[in-house]
Amino acid sequence: DIQMTQSPSSLSASVGDRVTITCRASQSISSYLNWYQQKPGKAPKLLIYAASSLQSGVPSRFSGSGSGTDFTLTISSLQPEDFATYYCQQSYSTHMYTFGQGTKLEIK
Amino acid sequence: EVQLVESGGGLVQPGRSLRLSCAASGFTFDDYAMHWVRQAPGKGLEWVSGISWNSGSIGYADSVKGRFTISRDNAKNSLYLQMNSLRAEDTALYYCAKDISMDILTGYYSYMDVWGKGTTVTVSS
Repeated sequence: DIQMTQSPSSLSASVGDRVTITCRASQSISSYLNWYQQKPGKAPKLLIYAASSLQSGVPSRFSGSGSGTDFTLTISSLQPEDFATYYCQQSYSTHMYTFGQGTKLEIK
Repeated sequence: EVQLVESGGGLVQPGRSLRLSCAASGFTFDDYAMHWVRQAPGKGLEWVSGISWNSGSIGYADSVKGRFTISRDNAKNSLYLQMNSLRAEDTALYYCAKDISMDILTGYYSYMDVWGKGTTVTVSS
């Protein structure tokens, strides 16, 4: 199975900050990596697919990069509505999909 | 409006069974693969199972393989998850999610662009 490890597990930041979240795969997954945002009590929302493609309707302050085993999600200037938990997910495996453990982004 | 509505959750004793349903609307259901994803209380997301548009490709997480069965009825625009031999660790909010592609587990691009609000399963005596 492909393991996905996110860092950090939690992060405190202020409005306007630039924030980067990292996701590492246990083996190469090419660019088959997606990012989701989840707010408390809500379903997850797709942000980024195929490592760097922005889902329709998602603000351009969100961006993704990486390939192989190392990936990043960057928020260029944090807004109040961005405080949430973020998950990466791989779709490279032909056996099962896996999510990272999540990164909780909190207000400093 | 594209919509997924889960149902069938509830309180069930360990070892018993439960069947979840997901009703889809607003899109051509049989053009897309579908998934079940769960979230235990206070925990992260866990992919449970997925099924291709024609049920030709099906996958399960190791944690549920042999106990859970995913199925779909394209005529009824519905997705199902039959859960047998339930355990306390299956307690979670279960989400239904639509894939952007027709197939799953191909080693190609696959992601979940529409999610339901979830149905809660509690396994306890």
